[in-house]
Amino acid sequence: QVQLVESGGGVVQPGKSLRLSCAASGFTFRSYGMFWVRQAPGKGLEWVAVIWFDGSNMYYADSVKGRFTMSRDNSKNTVYLQMNSLRAEDTAVYYCARKVAGTYGMDVWGQGTTVTVSS
Amino acid sequence: QSALTQPRSVSGSPGQTVTISCTGTSTDAGGYKYVSWYQQPPGKAPKLMIYDVSKRPSGVPDRFSGSKSGNTASLTISGLQAEDEADYYCSSYAGSYVWVFGGGTKLTVL
Repeated sequence: QVQLVESGGGVVQPGKSLRLSCAASGFTFRSYGMFWVRQAPGKGLEWVAVIWFDGSNMYYADSVKGRFTMSRDNSKNTVYLQMNSLRAEDTAVYYCARKVAGTYGMDVWGQGTTVTVSS
Repeated sequence: QSALTQPRSVSGSPGQTVTISCTGTSTDAGGYKYVSWYQQPPGKAPKLMIYDVSKRPSGVPDRFSGSKSGNTASLTISGLQAEDEADYYCSSYAGSYVWVFGGGTKLTVL
C-alpha cells in the first residue's frame, strides 16, 4: 500500500544538525513532489519545504530558509531534510507528505518523527 | 507567510451539520483555487479531506464538502458522526511556492 515512513528524529542541542529521512513505498515515487510539514507541541501545522518530483526545485518557509535543505534520491525512493543551526523553536513532529499530482494538496502523510532541540 | 484564520472550536450533535471557516487574503485563499482541508485525530497524522477547494479524494465520505467565497473557504460536514471528532486544518497555496496553514479548529461531537 501507499506509505511514507519518516526516521531520524531525536534530541539535539541548539546549534547542532540533524538529518531526517522519509522512505516511500507503494507508488511511483519519482513522479511526485514531496513536502515536509511540522507541528510544534500543542500547536498547528506549519509548512516547511517542498521539492519537485525530479529534485529540480526546492522552496522553503522563511522560518527555515538558509538553515534547512530538502533533497531526494529517486533511486532510493527517499526524501531528506537536512537541518542545521537548530533552534529551540524547531522542536516539533516532522511529517513528510506527498504532493497531489497536478495540484498543490498533500494526499499521503507519514506518521511523523519527533525532533527536540534542547540543551 | 501569515497563517489563515480559523475558529478555535466548533461543536455539533450527531446528525447535525457544522461548517468550519478559513479566512485568508487575496494573496492566498482568495487568490487561488488551491485550498485544502485536513483532519487530524488526537495523536495521529493529518489526512487529506478536500483539495482544490471542493474536490474529495477517493475514500472520503460525501458528507464532507468544501467551498469558497472571496477570501474565505469553508468545510461543511453533514450528518455529523462521533468519528468526525478531530482537529481540522485548512491550507492554501500563497504564491511564489509558499504554502500556509490555518491555526486549526477542534471539532467536538456532543
